[in-house]
Amino acid sequence: AQTVTQSQPEMSVQEAETVTLSCTYDTSESDYYLFWYKQPPSRQMILVIRQEAYKQQNATENRFSVNFQKAAKSFSLKISDSQLGDAAMYFCAYRSDRRTGTASKLTFGTGTRLQVTL
Amino acid sequence: GAGVSQSPSNKVTEKGKDVELRCDPISGHTALYWYRQSLGQGLEFLIYFQGNSAPDKSGLPSDRFSAERTGGSVSTLTIQRTQQEDSAVYLCASSLGQGRKAFFGQGTRLTVV
Repeated sequence: AQTVTQSQPEMSVQEAETVTLSCTYDTSESDYYLFWYKQPPSRQMILVIRQEAYKQQNATENRFSVNFQKAAKSFSLKISDSQLGDAAMYFCAYRSDRRTGTASKLTFGTGTRLQVTL
Repeated sequence: GAGVSQSPSNKVTEKGKDVELRCDPISGHTALYWYRQSLGQGLEFLIYFQGNSAPDKSGLPSDRFSAERTGGSVSTLTIQRTQQEDSAVYLCASSLGQGRKAFFGQGTRLTVV
C-alpha cells in the first residue's frame, strides 16, 4: 500500500517571501502521479499542481513549483511571492497510474497548515 | 451544474441516529468518490463508483456505512447508528473517468453529539 507523509503540521511565511512544504511517499510502483491540493476554510479541495512520475522535469504553475526527487521519494512544493490568499491547508497526494478500480483513488498526507503574515 | 454540490453543508445528529449525505457530481462525470476527513487528518478513501460497474467499497470503515449512486448521477452516503467517531467532514469528488482530474465538493461537516 502507498503512504504519504507530511512532517510539517504548520508553516508560516511572510507575504512576498518563499516557502517550501515537504512531502515524502512510499510506493513499490514505478508509474504514478503526485499532487498538491489546497484546502481553504471553504473546505473545497483545489488542485494546485500535478507531477507525472515518468517526467523528470519539475512541474510549475505560476508561483507554484515542485521539487520531485523520484529516487528519494520526495515531492516538495515551493510557493514563491507568497500572498495572503495562499493561506490554507495543503495536502500532498498520490495516485497510481494503473487505471483499474481504486488504483485511481487518491492517497493523502495529513496536511500542512500554511499561515501567511504581513 | 457548475461544480460538485454536496448537501447538507453541516449536519448535527444524535448518537445512534441514521444520516444521509448527498452528492451531486458534475454532469457527465462517470467516476464518483467519497472521502472522509477527520480532524487533523488527511482524506481517507471510502468508496468509488465508476459508470455502471459495481462500486469499490474497500474503504468503508464498517457495515454501518453504505452508499448508492442512482442513475449514474446523484450519490447518497448513509451512516447508520452514528457514533461520535463518525464526526468528520465527508467530501465527494467526481471526474470524467478513471485517472482523470478529480473535482471536489465543499463537503458535509457531520457532528455526532
